[in-house]
Amino acid sequence: SQTIHQWPATLVQPVGSPLSLECTVEGTSNPNLYWYRQAAGRGLQLLFYSVGIGQISSEVPQNLSASRPQDRQFILSSKKLLLSDSGFYLCAGSGGRNEQFFGPGTRLTVL
Amino acid sequence: AQSVSQHNHHVILSEAASLELGCNYSYGGTVNLFWYVQYPGQHLQLLLKYFSGDPLVKGIKGFEAEFIKSKFSFNLRKPSVQWSDTAEYFCAPMFRKLIWGLGTSLAVNP
Repeated sequence: SQTIHQWPATLVQPVGSPLSLECTVEGTSNPNLYWYRQAAGRGLQLLFYSVGIGQISSEVPQNLSASRPQDRQFILSSKKLLLSDSGFYLCAGSGGRNEQFFGPGTRLTVL
Repeated sequence: AQSVSQHNHHVILSEAASLELGCNYSYGGTVNLFWYVQYPGQHLQLLLKYFSGDPLVKGIKGFEAEFIKSKFSFNLRKPSVQWSDTAEYFCAPMFRKLIWGLGTSLAVNP
């Protein structure tokens, strides 16, 4: 079965510091990969998705970027965090039938 | 633009009550439909899905949903809820990508 690993589970960072959140996938090859931000009462906001190595689509302009250096690795980054980047970040993958499977998420607090 | 609307943001029920959560989407073409659930402290997980065929689909834990094309709806139902159904429920139609509803928080009192 497909599994998404995300780390860390929680992260506290000062404003202006860099960010790197990593997501890896097991149990499937060539998945589509997604980064979401989940806010209470606002559902899931798609940030980035990738259909293959080096292919990144950005859904909303923001202070974040994403990269996919390997088939099963998806990284969310920022050069300088803002207070507004605080939130709960979810990595997800999908295979042939478009069903998405999710990781445990990372709670990011920017102080 | 494609969109999805979940009618109920917060629902409180007693055990054994029946549940129906509304979901409507706006798109006239072929669409795949999903309901996801997030139990407290757990990952989002797939509850059920509709791709084609029988419009009444059954998912895990006794949930079902009915696709009514003429009403652009995909409502989630369960005849008798349990305390363990307390969770957040998301409707997500798939067009070019998943479009997520805002979610419905369900609390079931024992």
